[in-house]
Amino acid sequence: QKEVEQNSGPLSVPEGAIASLNCTYSDRGSQSFFWYRQYSGKSPELIMFIYSNGDKEDGRFTAQLNKASQYVSLLIRDSQPSDSATYLCAVTRGSARQLTFGSGTQLTVLP
Amino acid sequence: KAGVTQTPRYLIKTRGQQVTLSCSPISGHRSVSWYQQTPGQGLQFLFEYFSETQRNKGNFPGRFSGRQFSNSRSEMNVSTLELGDSALYLCASSLAGGTGTNEQFFGPGTRLTVL
Repeated sequence: QKEVEQNSGPLSVPEGAIASLNCTYSDRGSQSFFWYRQYSGKSPELIMFIYSNGDKEDGRFTAQLNKASQYVSLLIRDSQPSDSATYLCAVTRGSARQLTFGSGTQLTVLP
Repeated sequence: KAGVTQTPRYLIKTRGQQVTLSCSPISGHRSVSWYQQTPGQGLQFLFEYFSETQRNKGNFPGRFSGRQFSNSRSEMNVSTLELGDSALYLCASSLAGGTGTNEQFFGPGTRLTVL
């Protein structure tokens, strides 16, 4: 079992729809959770982080964390073609800053 | 505020050679981590440096090493290059000052090709 698992996709949604990206993790000691966006040929860009159970909203993005279910998700509202990218889920354990990444979900927003 | 910078951006080497990559973190950030990204293995953690000390190390052979200077700039070195070392090498910096400061920001990466 991989430490961090994501639906590999590809995931396609129409413009204006809600894109839902999911991630599960196996280490119950995981404490910090991050979502990165990576455009083809570019480096990962941090778009959301969440440390506590519940929802965290930032603009069109909402991160949801459920530690009991070891599940973290990212919702993108009003999806735009510019949101088309690979989304990487990453976690850290305890106070360490070692990010463990999932394999990423490729999202395509269709105009 | 300037972001994370990495040099060089592209590098071509041959097997058996060694290479040194450089990373300058965001001003005020004290932690620098290095990652390797390949199509097959994805993003994997190499090591983290904080206050010139290696704090964590990933599961890579000893050919991969690094260091951090007093100004927080960091270098990583790969000796005796192998074909499988071809990858995008990413540096990430973090404030590392306590709760809520562990977010890591990536530089543009160095694309290493080993022939």
